[in-house]
Amino acid sequence: GAVVSQHPSWVICKSGTSVKIECRSLDFQATTMFWYRQFPKQSLMLMATSNEGSKATYEQGVEKDKFLINHASLTLSTLTVTSAHPEDSSFYICSANPLERGTGELFFGEGSRLTVL
Amino acid sequence: GESVGLHLPTLSVQEGDNSIINCAYSNSASDYFIWYKQESGKGPQFIIDIRSNMDKRQGQRVTVLLNKTVKHLSLQIAATQPGDSAVYFCAVSRDSGYALNFGKGTSLLVTP
Repeated sequence: GAVVSQHPSWVICKSGTSVKIECRSLDFQATTMFWYRQFPKQSLMLMATSNEGSKATYEQGVEKDKFLINHASLTLSTLTVTSAHPEDSSFYICSANPLERGTGELFFGEGSRLTVL
Repeated sequence: GESVGLHLPTLSVQEGDNSIINCAYSNSASDYFIWYKQESGKGPQFIIDIRSNMDKRQGQRVTVLLNKTVKHLSLQIAATQPGDSAVYFCAVSRDSGYALNFGKGTSLLVTP
């Protein structure tokens, strides 16, 4: 089946530094990937839609200058948390829909847990 | 505005019993509905989906029911097993795209 891989699976960083999280579709291409954030014991909240070859679309309340998204190819989207602060500590999850299947089925990565000290 | 909610935050069932998890949504334009299972520290795992042109879909031990009239979605798990213990989320498409709004989650605990 389709696989979405995220890297790193967990990261700890100091406040003020930037962290990059990768989302890769391993056996399919995706023009669109989605980034979600999940705080402990809460649901997933859509942050932004990553579009290959164009700018990402951000949800209301999500700072585009803080959460930089780059969809460089049909198999890779990256989320960079710039000048991270403790309140950015969260579980970041990406999803993608296989371009060629047309079923609408989405596949999720295993998530990346960010802890900002 | 758009909202997706669950009726019960936790559900405890005995092994072998059937489980029913409910979800209400508000966007009448949503046409794709998915149930996900999430185990601690992991990403969501697809269980079953249904499109708005159907009202019932069955999988292996799971059934999803969709009532568009009252904007209600349910997940039925037959013969619940300890491995089914997890948090279950309903997710609803935003209009015709693939971006999803997730419900708050129901924690299912299966006791022996």
